[in-house]
Amino acid sequence: EPEVTQTPSHQVTQMGQEVILRCVPISNHLYFYWYRQILGQKVEFLVSFYNNEISEKSEIFDDQFSVERPDGSNFTLKIRSTKLEDSAMYFCASSEGQGITTNEKLFFGSGTQLSVL
Amino acid sequence: DAKTTQPNSMESNEEEPVHLPCNHSTISGTDYIHWYRQLPSQGPEYVIHGLTSNVNNRMASLAIAEDRKSSTLILHRATLRDAAVYYCILRAFSNSGYALNFGKGTSLLVTP
Repeated sequence: EPEVTQTPSHQVTQMGQEVILRCVPISNHLYFYWYRQILGQKVEFLVSFYNNEISEKSEIFDDQFSVERPDGSNFTLKIRSTKLEDSAMYFCASSEGQGITTNEKLFFGSGTQLSVL
Repeated sequence: DAKTTQPNSMESNEEEPVHLPCNHSTISGTDYIHWYRQLPSQGPEYVIHGLTSNVNNRMASLAIAEDRKSSTLILHRATLRDAAVYYCILRAFSNSGYALNFGKGTSLLVTP
């Protein structure tokens, strides 16, 4: 079965540094998402992306965050200046459809564990 | 999105059926009921979703109450691999952005 691939699986960075988390969504999917999960807490929505633009974002997704689909296959999340509280597991997801379609099921990657020191 | 209520944890014996309840008394007529699960150290995984009628797939069945204020995810024969956190999520029927709002879910323990 097709899957969402995330790299790297673990990323360690110093506070204040920029990080880029990478994802390869399922090839025929059109909608892309980032979620995060702080250790021991619930999965939190960050942003959804469609047709090369953000369609929805949460309060967590502030100016320090940005997303990009640079080359038609990759989908990236950039954190401009990391903080200690950005330490979390970051999940990328994709879906074939959204809204009025029934193909709304999201496929999640295995995540990137980001540790900010 | 309307709120859901699930038990914090449940326990089941291997090879027995499991019924995971979810209450959503404020559900609106166009809210879909979605279930996802998260195995240890993995990303969430879609299980099933429905609107009004009961649904079956290879993973599970979804039984939706007639008034739609509650639903039950049924695993017909639990295996050790089914030990996970199960999330019941309501999704509004709209063309707006897609934000699945995960709650705390039900942590299912399966014992041999």
